[in-house]
Amino acid sequence: GAGVSQSPSNKVTEKGKDVELRCDPISGHTALYWYRQSLGQGLEFLIYFQGNSAPDKSGLPSDRFSAERTGGSVSTLTIQRTQQEDSAVYLCARKPSAGTDTQYFGPGTRLTVL
Amino acid sequence: EDQVTQSPEALRLQEGESSSLNCSYTVSGLRGLFWYRQDPGKGPEFLFTLYSAGEEKEKERLKATLTKKESFLHITAPKPEDSATYLCAVQVQAGTALIFGKGTTLSVSS
Repeated sequence: GAGVSQSPSNKVTEKGKDVELRCDPISGHTALYWYRQSLGQGLEFLIYFQGNSAPDKSGLPSDRFSAERTGGSVSTLTIQRTQQEDSAVYLCARKPSAGTDTQYFGPGTRLTVL
Repeated sequence: EDQVTQSPEALRLQEGESSSLNCSYTVSGLRGLFWYRQDPGKGPEFLFTLYSAGEEKEKERLKATLTKKESFLHITAPKPEDSATYLCAVQVQAGTALIFGKGTTLSVSS
C-alpha cells in the first residue's frame, strides 16, 4: 500500500464540537501533508511538515484548524468548533524520501458535521 | 494564481474505445506534474510523474505525456476496471504541496 494509515475512517459530529483526525505514516517519510477533498471540489492543500522546519500552514482555511506532528511521525489534525462546511474527506500523504517528489496518500477520514 | 484545469469532467467509453484526458496548467514554475487514480471511497493512487516537456510514461493501458502547457493521459483499449476518477496535480517547487485539478471521472462499460 501507500504506507499511510488514517483514523477514524469515518467521523460524524455535531456542529460546534471539536474533532481530531489522525495520520500515521507507517512506512516512514521526509514530509507529511494534509489535504481536504470536498464534494465537487478538487483536493485542497491544508498544511505540511518537513523535517525540523516550521510547518507550512498557508492552506489552513481558518484559525479553527490546527495540526501537529509528534515525534517526527504521527500527525493530528484538529478542527475546533466544527461547522457544516467542514464536512469533507481529509487526506494525509507522505513523501517517502528526499530522492522523490511523489506523495503517497492514505485512505482518508470522511468527516460529516451535522 | 497557479491553476490546474482538467477536461472533460466525465467521460463514458465502451470497452476497447481509446480516448484521452486533458490537464492544462498555469503555474509560476513547474517542478513536476503528477497523475493519480482515485476509486470511490479510497485515497488517490499514484500513477505517473512527468518533469519536462516531451516526456512520456506508460503503465499497462495508460500513457501520460507532457507539453509546456498541458498533459494528456491516453487510455488505450480501456477495460471496465479502468473506471475511476483520474486526478492531475502540479508541484511548483520541490517538497511543496500539490495543486490539484478537479478530476475526470471515467466510466468504461462492457
